[in-house]
Amino acid sequence: DTAVSQTPKYLVTQMGNDKSIKCEQNLGHDTMYWYKQDSKKFLKIMFSYNNKELIINETVPNRFSPKSPDKAHLNLHINSLELGDSAVYFCASSQDGPGRGQETQYFGPGTRLLVL
Amino acid sequence: AQSVAQPEDQVNVAEGNPLTVKCTYSVSGNPYLFWYVQYPNRGLQFLLKYITGDNLVKGSYGFEAEFNKSQTSFHLKKPSALVSDSALYFCAVRDIRMDSSYKLIFGSGTRLLVRP
Repeated sequence: DTAVSQTPKYLVTQMGNDKSIKCEQNLGHDTMYWYKQDSKKFLKIMFSYNNKELIINETVPNRFSPKSPDKAHLNLHINSLELGDSAVYFCASSQDGPGRGQETQYFGPGTRLLVL
Repeated sequence: AQSVAQPEDQVNVAEGNPLTVKCTYSVSGNPYLFWYVQYPNRGLQFLLKYITGDNLVKGSYGFEAEFNKSQTSFHLKKPSALVSDSALYFCAVRDIRMDSSYKLIFGSGTRLLVRP
């Protein structure tokens, strides 16, 4: 009965590789997010999608490309991985649409990415 | 721009004692404030939120938070700490953008350590 799930949980890869992280939510929510948590635990939003439409892109390098095939899924593809991409990536979802911001965001367990 | 500050990197408390984790905010307009907890190697879990109404908000696991408009604070409290409360706590504020989309801005996190 997992609400927000992510795969894989751990990802170890070499610099320059391309990798994808998948996220799925079974809450029926309209909005999904990707967050990055760095080594100091600082948490910052990267992207937000509402009903498969990109609504927030927080000046993330274009090596990062989110894709939302339907409103229950939001995947993150990363090209040409760099050492600085090492972090924990969290997916989240909420029932919110634009202009509200009252609804709780529910987070996945995170994907721990290590770039060597 | 909206922001939240968590002035303490770590809070230490003995089991059974009351605990407070501090958060101050800076917003234009009405603040929408949230507390999340992150246990080791886990995702963020929602604890409580303040949107409007009573200044004392009750949440999960016996936690509560007091919204204080004059002091621009939203401190997290629990009357009697448990060892199992040891975790990383994040305060967050809603930031609504010009296009009516919104995002959460997180504080830097406070590590709570409850000793037996």
